[in-house]
Amino acid sequence: NAGVTQTPKFRILKIGQSMTLQCTQDMNHNYMYWYRQDPGMGLKLIYYSVGAGITDKGEVPNGYNVSRSTTEDFPLRLELAAPSQTSVYFCASRRANEQFFGPGTRLTVL
Amino acid sequence: QQQVKQSPQSLIVQKGGISIINCAYENTAFDYFPWYQQFPGKGPALLIAIRPDVSEKKEGRFTISFNKSAKQFSLHIMDSQPGDSATYFCAASIGTGGFKTIFGAGTRLFVKA
Repeated sequence: NAGVTQTPKFRILKIGQSMTLQCTQDMNHNYMYWYRQDPGMGLKLIYYSVGAGITDKGEVPNGYNVSRSTTEDFPLRLELAAPSQTSVYFCASRRANEQFFGPGTRLTVL
Repeated sequence: QQQVKQSPQSLIVQKGGISIINCAYENTAFDYFPWYQQFPGKGPALLIAIRPDVSEKKEGRFTISFNKSAKQFSLHIMDSQPGDSATYFCAASIGTGGFKTIFGAGTRLFVKA
């Protein structure tokens, strides 16, 4: 069981570039989440999904998009990168009350 | 009303001491209160959790104290060890399973050897 895996681990983008952060879980969990973590700000929910084909916005969705075509995969898309999107991004899946987090992607936008 | 306020922002404790982290919430609909532990370079992991129908839950050296009337809960780490040095997040969620979880801002704990 690999749990929740995220790629890439690190990425530097230029302003205006786009990229996709990949997230995969092998635990057959229906619920999946994307968070961003900024220093001293805790975890802010970007988007979440309650199952394949169903997604919804969280607290800070602007500038991001998601899709959920399978139970396993929940990619996060940044279309026009901005310096404000510099952060550490965590994907998570949920079983019952427990969330399982991936190792994170550290993104810098210059 | 959806916020969870956590304090302190950082904490330094001597080895063997007690670490105490506090959280407060406003929404009385929250019915599940987990604590997550995060080591540098890793994702958060569930440490311990409590429901509002009990006032205390203990797992090894970690204890959650819950005060429903004050809408506060706290994490106590007894006999703190250098290996406990990490960032701790309190959180709260609503409903069965609580599909959305609200996290506190985090506390960076450093345990001095």
